[in-house]
Amino acid sequence: AQSVTQLDSHVSVSEGTPVLLRCNYSSSYSPSLFWYVQHPNKGLQLLLKYTSAATLVKGINGFEAEFKKSETSFHLTKPSAHMSDAAEYFCVVIHTGTASKLTFGTGTRLQVTL
Amino acid sequence: KAGVTQTPRYLIKTRGQQVTLSCSPISGHRSVSWYQQTPGQGLQFLFEYFSETQRNKGNFPGRFSGRQFSNSRSEMNVSTLELGDSALYLCASSLEGRDSVPDTQYFGPGTRLTVL
Repeated sequence: AQSVTQLDSHVSVSEGTPVLLRCNYSSSYSPSLFWYVQHPNKGLQLLLKYTSAATLVKGINGFEAEFKKSETSFHLTKPSAHMSDAAEYFCVVIHTGTASKLTFGTGTRLQVTL
Repeated sequence: KAGVTQTPRYLIKTRGQQVTLSCSPISGHRSVSWYQQTPGQGLQFLFEYFSETQRNKGNFPGRFSGRQFSNSRSEMNVSTLELGDSALYLCASSLEGRDSVPDTQYFGPGTRLTVL
């Protein structure tokens, strides 16, 4: 079975400093991985996705993630946090053979302070 | 192009009642998936419909059901509501969602269901 583990339930950074949200995956096969963001009382928005192409994936709003097979990780980073980045972030994997069945991590709440 | 829309946005029901939620996918998208989001269980997959057929199903009781119409719009029904069904129900659409090609899923704003 495929799963993802988000290592931090809450991360707090100052505006203008780097962001690192950590995600490890477990998969018997080459996984497809995603990062989604959810702002309060909103639906989920796709930030970026990895589907076995380039290991460094660039997404929207300056976010990027690197797929590291040796470490089974897919950490999300951003060089400089902005107040508008405050939200809940979900690391997601797709089950092999069921491309429409997403498995979500437990989420990381990002707080950005002045 | 309009995004995924869900109606109603908020709903209050009492235990034992049933409820129907609606989802209109992005134009041209044929796959619709439903997810339940709660503080305790997080985001969990309910089921997925493609071409009016349920293609994938999560681990939810039979009280949770759905259907898809020929125009790809989907409805989700929950019968005999329980307090624990209070949640944000999210709908997502994708082009086809074939096993070999993980199409991006686009989410709607959700329906907030409160069961009293």
